[in-house]
Amino acid sequence: QSALTQPPSASGSPGQSVTISCTGTSSDVGGYNFVSWYQQNPGKAPRLIIYEVSKWPSGVPDRFSGSKSGNTASLTVSGLQAEDEADYYCSSYAGNNEYVFGTGTKVTVL
Amino acid sequence: HLQLQESGPGLVKPSETLSLTCSVSGDSISSGDFFWGWIRQPPGKGLEWIGNVFYNGETYSNPSLKSRVTISIDRSQTQFSLHLSAVTAADTAVYYCARVRRFADYFDYWGQGTLVTASS
Repeated sequence: QSALTQPPSASGSPGQSVTISCTGTSSDVGGYNFVSWYQQNPGKAPRLIIYEVSKWPSGVPDRFSGSKSGNTASLTVSGLQAEDEADYYCSSYAGNNEYVFGTGTKVTVL
Repeated sequence: HLQLQESGPGLVKPSETLSLTCSVSGDSISSGDFFWGWIRQPPGKGLEWIGNVFYNGETYSNPSLKSRVTISIDRSQTQFSLHLSAVTAADTAVYYCARVRRFADYFDYWGQGTLVTASS
């Protein structure tokens, strides 16, 4: 079970969009539509922002959107705001009631 | 409103066993709709899934940690526990407990996390 691969960093100016990739295998990301995304601010617990590839939990703005193609899932943050500066992690179901997280991406708002 | 709170020693000696408890309030721990899970994060690094427990005691663990991990649940006390044996410095991390929605497989509620340092 290897961690899903994310770019270490991404950045954009306020109002722009940034997209983060999350690459796994056919045994996790590619095999199930159970990819979720988490936002983590420094010193805080992760917060769920997307589940089942593209669904929003209550209270999460629709500026956050998710998609998947093959073994790669993506998170797009549209209309970047200063408050979106955080670390982002993907997670996928990996079969046999096991789970795997991504390596994490630090998003900087320029 | 569901709340989870980790508790346990913040310092563990190498080769000893790390033991943490997650107390759950605001909802039943006996629902078949959820797992109860443990995730850790070494300082400055990413998240790692440790394992989950179901209300009936069934457990599932990360294969890389399976031989050292024991997870249990106490429904009467609405809490679940993690025991990680034979710790080394590499086990130093913030440990989070979380609720896992079954059949959709996401972690929807998290505890605040507790730092455990493995050091003599």
